[in-house]
Amino acid sequence: EPEVTQTPSHQVTQMGQEVILRCVPISNHLYFYWYRQILGQKVEFLVSFYNNEISEKSEIFDDQFSVERPDGSNFTLKIRSTKLEDSAMYFCASRAGQGGAYEQYFGPGTRLTVT
Amino acid sequence: QKEVEQNSGPLSVPEGAIASLNCTYSDRVSQSFFWYRQYSGKSPELIMSIYSNGDKEDGRFTAQLNKASQYVSLLIRDSQPSDSATYLCAVRKSGGSNYKLTFGKGTLLTVNP
Repeated sequence: EPEVTQTPSHQVTQMGQEVILRCVPISNHLYFYWYRQILGQKVEFLVSFYNNEISEKSEIFDDQFSVERPDGSNFTLKIRSTKLEDSAMYFCASRAGQGGAYEQYFGPGTRLTVT
Repeated sequence: QKEVEQNSGPLSVPEGAIASLNCTYSDRVSQSFFWYRQYSGKSPELIMSIYSNGDKEDGRFTAQLNKASQYVSLLIRDSQPSDSATYLCAVRKSGGSNYKLTFGKGTLLTVNP
């Protein structure tokens, strides 16, 4: 069964460093998302991406964040200068989009630890 | 008022019993509703989606939606210890095409052998 994959599973970085989190969405899906979950808190929407552009972003997704689909398979989230409060699980999700398919499927996540 | 509210639990049921999980949402024009299961340290796993008022059954799971009451629930029949997890309610609001999801904090379910 097709699934969303994410790498790395765990990333440790120092405050102020840049990190890139990578995702490979399900191959025929058209809509891509990043969510994050701080330990003990709810899953929060960061950004949605369709047709090679951001379709919506949350207040969390400030100028330090960017997303890119550099090729036909990868979808990346970049944090330019990490802060301690960026420590969280980051989940990539994808949605087919055809025929009114609304279900989003999540990848296994990347645990980001900022020290 | 929180957008999506769930009782945080823990909800404890004996093996074989029916577990009932509830969720309310504030945006009356929300259109799509989802239940995800999340094991500790893992990612959300889609269990059910429901879009119309009434019941939707899939195996041991039944989702119920009442848009007038802004209420959605998940019933798990014949609960198994492997069902022990946090259950997340997620809502898609109307408007736009990006279909972002708004999640509740989740209800922790424990099924006791």
